[in-house]
This record gives sequence, C-alpha cells and structure tokens, in this order.
Amino acid sequence: NAGVTQTPKFQVLKTGQSMTLQCAQDMNHNSMYWYRQDPGMGLRLIYYSASEGTTDKGEVPNGYNVSRLNKREFSLRLESAAPSQTSVYFCASSESWTGGGELFFGEGSRLTVL
Amino acid sequence: AQSVTQPDIHITVSEGASLELRCNYSYGATPYLFWYVQSPGQGLQLLLKYFSGDTLVQGIKGFEAEFKRSQSSFNLRKPSVHWSDAAEYFCAVGTSGGYNKLIFGAGTRLAVHP
Repeated sequence: NAGVTQTPKFQVLKTGQSMTLQCAQDMNHNSMYWYRQDPGMGLRLIYYSASEGTTDKGEVPNGYNVSRLNKREFSLRLESAAPSQTSVYFCASSESWTGGGELFFGEGSRLTVL
Repeated sequence: AQSVTQPDIHITVSEGASLELRCNYSYGATPYLFWYVQSPGQGLQLLLKYFSGDTLVQGIKGFEAEFKRSQSSFNLRKPSVHWSDAAEYFCAVGTSGGYNKLIFGAGTRLAVHP
C-alpha cells in the first residue's frame, strides 16, 4: 500500500545544476501538488495539477517547472538550482480538486543546494 | 486572501496532561479547516477536518477540534497526551470555493516529557 512515493529522498546539488523530483501515486487520484517546507513557514504550494493534463502555479512557483506525465505521476524540475531552493519538498495527491478532500502526502525529498 | 496563524512555535507538556494547540484563520466565508500531524522524517497525516455542521469534530488518535466562527479559531485538543504524540502539528485552511489549495500555518512543535 504505497500511497504517494517520492524520489529521491535526499539530494545535494551545486548552484546552477538541474534536477527533477519524481512523484507517483497509486490511489487513482485526480489532483496532485508540490509543496516546499521551510522552518517557521509551514508548507507553501509551488505548483498543482487539478487533473491530468493541467498544471497551475501556486504561491511560490519561481525557479520551478512541473510536468503531469500521466494520472499517476507529477514531477518537479529545478532548471538552475539556487541556495534559496534548499528545502524539504513534499508531493501530495487528492481524489478531486473540489470539496476540500484529504491530501495524502509523500515522505518528502530533502534538497540541499550549495 | 486566506491565512493561518499558529501562535505557538513550541509547546512542551507532560505525558498525561491535556493539550490545546491554537489556530486562527483569516477568510471571508466559511472555510474548510484541517489539522495535520507530521512525525519526524515523515509526511503529513490528516488528524481531522471541518467543513460544516457540528462545530466540534473528532479525529484520529483521540484528537478533537472546535470551530469558533466568532473567534476565527480552530483549536486542537487532546485530554491526555501520550509520548507518541510528540510531533509537529499544522493547521490549514481551504476555501469553500471548493478547491484544495490549502494554506498552512507555520506549525507547532510538540514535545512530551515522560
């Protein structure tokens, strides 16, 4: 019963390098989300995908891109990493975009940019 | 725009003592309100949620929360804390417009003394 799976769990990058965080869910959910978590700031929404084929910006989208590859997978790409992107990244999914349903979270990906 | 304030960054209680974690929100209409818990190194897990109806909602692990519209609050309570409750707790708000772009508070870290 995997739920939401994120890879990698840990990554260290140098400034200017690129990388992609992968996320997959096996609950047949329509909506998926990427959040970042920073101390004292809670979780902030980076991008979301209300349904397969759609993506939209959240609160803090600058420096990131996303791809909703199919219904299961939603990736987050950093094209040119910056130290300000050092954070813990969480992927989440929910059954629908409406109705305030529960979000299911992955275990997080800890990214350090030197 | 909606926002969430958790006034207490850290709280320490003794095992067996009662607990109340505070949450205040800002939103013009009736919001969807959530409490999530994050154990160390883990993703977030939903404790409980309020959409409408009875203002006292019960959740998992013996937690409850009360929605008070007049105070714009949604405080989390537990009558007797267990050592395993040590974690970080996040309050979140979603708009009643029906989408799941949750806004999270900064979190309250709970420590439990034996």
